[in-house]
Amino acid sequence: DGGITQSPKYLFRKEGQNVTLSCEQNLNHDAMYWYRQDPGQGLRLIYYSQIVNDFQKGDIAEGYSVSREKKESFPLTVTSAQKNPTAFYLCASSILISYNEQFFGPGTRLTVL
Amino acid sequence: AQTVTQSQPEMSVQEAETVTLSCTYDTSESDYYLFWYKQPPSRQMILVIRQEAYKQQNATENRFSVNFQKAAKSFSLKISDSQLGDAAMYFCASTTGTYKYIFGTGTRLKVLA
Repeated sequence: DGGITQSPKYLFRKEGQNVTLSCEQNLNHDAMYWYRQDPGQGLRLIYYSQIVNDFQKGDIAEGYSVSREKKESFPLTVTSAQKNPTAFYLCASSILISYNEQFFGPGTRLTVL
Repeated sequence: AQTVTQSQPEMSVQEAETVTLSCTYDTSESDYYLFWYKQPPSRQMILVIRQEAYKQQNATENRFSVNFQKAAKSFSLKISDSQLGDAAMYFCASTTGTYKYIFGTGTRLKVLA
């Protein structure tokens, strides 16, 4: 079955540590996205990528970094510079034609201890 | 700037009854798509319904339908014959084809048995 996988489901991090969230898709989608979800704030875009080796900052990119070395993979690193990283993170993908729906992964809950 | 507003943080509906969730949006673009996504307790985002702005006919998917009022920039979701499995967070979203999707803050729907 095609879809998007995110791992791990739950992640705990100590303050000052970097942590990487995995996102893999086998839908052959060109575009991939990372969102942060906080209570009462909906989904906010962190980064997105339309093609391999290229990505753009979203609305809240500070303290985060991404890479897109393969079409299928779009890992997100939460760095120690992110002031309030505890949140639910969602990865999504879509085909590279405008106006198409996004398909979402199951998410990763990151908690900073 | 593109915005999406959901003014109802929470709604309740009796099982088998009908409920309408509200969404208003703002965009300067003439061509755009609108979506309703469902996020159940599992937190997996699922597309419910999609509306192309150039289509006057309201989209329908089984028990789910929209009331798209383009001039008023309103995009409400009607759920008929509500079921317990409809209990979830519902997000309204829009895209103008720039690969950027804007999400509302969500409406939590409770279905009462």
